[in-house]
Amino acid sequence: KNEVEQSPQNLTAQEGEFITINCSYSVGISALHWLQQHPGGGIVSLFMLSSGKKKHGRLIATINIQEKHSSLHITASHPRDSAVYICAQTRPGGGSEKLVFGKGTKLTVNP
Amino acid sequence: DTGVSQDPRHKITKRGQNVTFRCDPISEHNRLYWYRQTLGQGPEFLTYFQNEAQLEKSRLLSDRFSAERPKGSFSTLEIQRTEQGDSAMYLCASSLGTARGYTFGSGTRLTVV
Repeated sequence: KNEVEQSPQNLTAQEGEFITINCSYSVGISALHWLQQHPGGGIVSLFMLSSGKKKHGRLIATINIQEKHSSLHITASHPRDSAVYICAQTRPGGGSEKLVFGKGTKLTVNP
Repeated sequence: DTGVSQDPRHKITKRGQNVTFRCDPISEHNRLYWYRQTLGQGPEFLTYFQNEAQLEKSRLLSDRFSAERPKGSFSTLEIQRTEQGDSAMYLCASSLGTARGYTFGSGTRLTVV
């Protein structure tokens, strides 16, 4: 069992829809990260959070530490939001502070 | 600063050949990471450098893999005697510490034929 689980694995939406991607983790975190990966491989960091909620434009990330759960929301989705969204964690006392990744959620937004 | 650069972007090699990839991190970042990503999976940690010291290696990093960061700046990842199972995207990331986040390169896609 992967220590970072994402759902759904694939998500297709119509332009304008509200999108939610979920992430659950089994081990305590020092930080939870949401990243975006476009075809071709490059990864962009969207959010890093350890509590509460963060917002950037149409993207909102929330985390519930007690439930070990985080969500990424996209409001008013657009075809350019089509990408793979990956949840990852860093752990306390880990030294390297390496990222432990989920498998990703492939989002397709149709016009 | 132009971000994290990786070279080459794509590499096709025959099984048994050696390959070397390069990563140039953001200049002031002292932490450098290598990850490997296979199709449909999230990236997996390979190794970590703080300055020139290699401080952590994954058990995924077999004896055929070696990584260096000789002057605490750029890093190289070498795979000897490549196997088809080595086909993957190899990603490099750099950081000043997790509170400052990570910056990823575009990756090197390796295909072993």
